[in-house]
Amino acid sequence: EPEVTQTPSHQVTQMGQEVILRCVPISNHLYFYWYRQILGQKVEFLVSFYNNEISEKSEIFDDQFSVERPDGSNFTLKIRSTKLEDSAMYFCASRGGTSGTYNEQFFGPGTRLTVL
Amino acid sequence: QKEVEQNSGPLSVPEGAIASLNCTYSDRGSQSFFWYRQYSGKSPELIMSIYSNGDKEDGRFTAQLNKASQYVSLLIRDSQPSDSATYLCAVRGAGGTSYGKLTFGQGTILTVHP
Repeated sequence: EPEVTQTPSHQVTQMGQEVILRCVPISNHLYFYWYRQILGQKVEFLVSFYNNEISEKSEIFDDQFSVERPDGSNFTLKIRSTKLEDSAMYFCASRGGTSGTYNEQFFGPGTRLTVL
Repeated sequence: QKEVEQNSGPLSVPEGAIASLNCTYSDRGSQSFFWYRQYSGKSPELIMSIYSNGDKEDGRFTAQLNKASQYVSLLIRDSQPSDSATYLCAVRGAGGTSYGKLTFGQGTILTVHP
């Protein structure tokens, strides 16, 4: 069964360093998302991406964050200068379309980011 | 601020019982509703989606939606210890600025004891 994959599973970095989190969405899906979950808290939306551009972003997604789809399969989240409060699980999700089951978002296994 | 609220629990039920999980949402224009299951340290796993008022059944799971009351629920029949997890209610808003993104509740922790 097709699934969203993410690498790495765990990333440890020093405050102020840049990190890139990678995702391979489900093939043929059109809509891509990043969410994060701080330990013990809600899953929070960061950004959505469609047709090679950001379609929506949250207040969390400030200038330190960027997303890119560098080729036909990968979808990346970059944090330019990490802060302690960026420590969280980051989930990538993808969705096929806008009707019926294509409306459903499927999540990858996540990348645990630890900022020291 | 569009909100999704769940009874945080924890909810404890005996094996074989029915577990009932509830969720309310504030955005009256919301059209799509989802239940995800999240095991500790893992990612959300989609178990049910519902778009129309009424009930939708899939195996041991039944989702119920009442848009007038802005209420969605999940019933798990014949609960099993493997159902023990956090259940997340997620709502997709109407079009425009909230198109596509999911807003999650804080989750309800369910424990099914043998």
